Amino acid sequence: ETGVTQSPTHLIKTRGQQVTLRCSSQSGHNTVSWYQQALGQGPQFIFQYYREEENGRGNFPPRFSGLQFPNYSSELNVNALELDDSALYLCASSFQGVQETQYFGPGTRLLVL
Amino acid sequence: AQTVTQSQPEMSVQEAETVTLSCTYDTSENNYYLFWYKQPPSRQMILVIRQEAYKQQNATENRFSVNFQKAAKSFSLKISDSQLGDTAMYFCAFMKYNAGNNRKLIWGLGTSLAVNP
Repeated sequence: ETGVTQSPTHLIKTRGQQVTLRCSSQSGHNTVSWYQQALGQGPQFIFQYYREEENGRGNFPPRFSGLQFPNYSSELNVNALELDDSALYLCASSFQGVQETQYFGPGTRLLVL
Repeated sequence: AQTVTQSQPEMSVQEAETVTLSCTYDTSENNYYLFWYKQPPSRQMILVIRQEAYKQQNATENRFSVNFQKAAKSFSLKISDSQLGDTAMYFCAFMKYNAGNNRKLIWGLGTSLAVNP
């Protein structure tokens, strides 16, 4: 069974740039959730994708957007990067409808300068 | 709105001893899930244990067990026979049951656990 993978592991961008983070879900899972974890904090829910549709969104501005592909992998896009976007971005996959446990990837550390 | 509170920012324990991490939560829901995740320095969030609110029996996974007190809205994690590899940040998290488009985890701020040799 393949676990959740994320790429890249680290990324450095400058303010105003755009970034795309990628996530491959665990085999057999149909739902992907994205979280932002600032240093020293618990994760904050960004949004969730199920059957290629956004299925819930946290308190993040529209410049945070995403996609889910037919193979259930997902992308997180952030436009017009701000310094406060520096964080660990976590992707989690789950199987909606049967068991709701979310399994996480290793994360992408984003630094915005 | 649901909230999760972890009142112990840092804890330490000697190897082979037992430690209990505290978590309280606030919700008006009757059915929900509770989780403990650990995040070692490698950053990956790893599931430790899960509890369904409708189950009266406390969940157990090897050396990890919970004390779930639904009326008190308390969900503590007990680690027995602590090992050096248990050193990590531990997060308590809540999820509504059958939440439609709101299947998100709500997290506490975490407890940093150090296991000392």
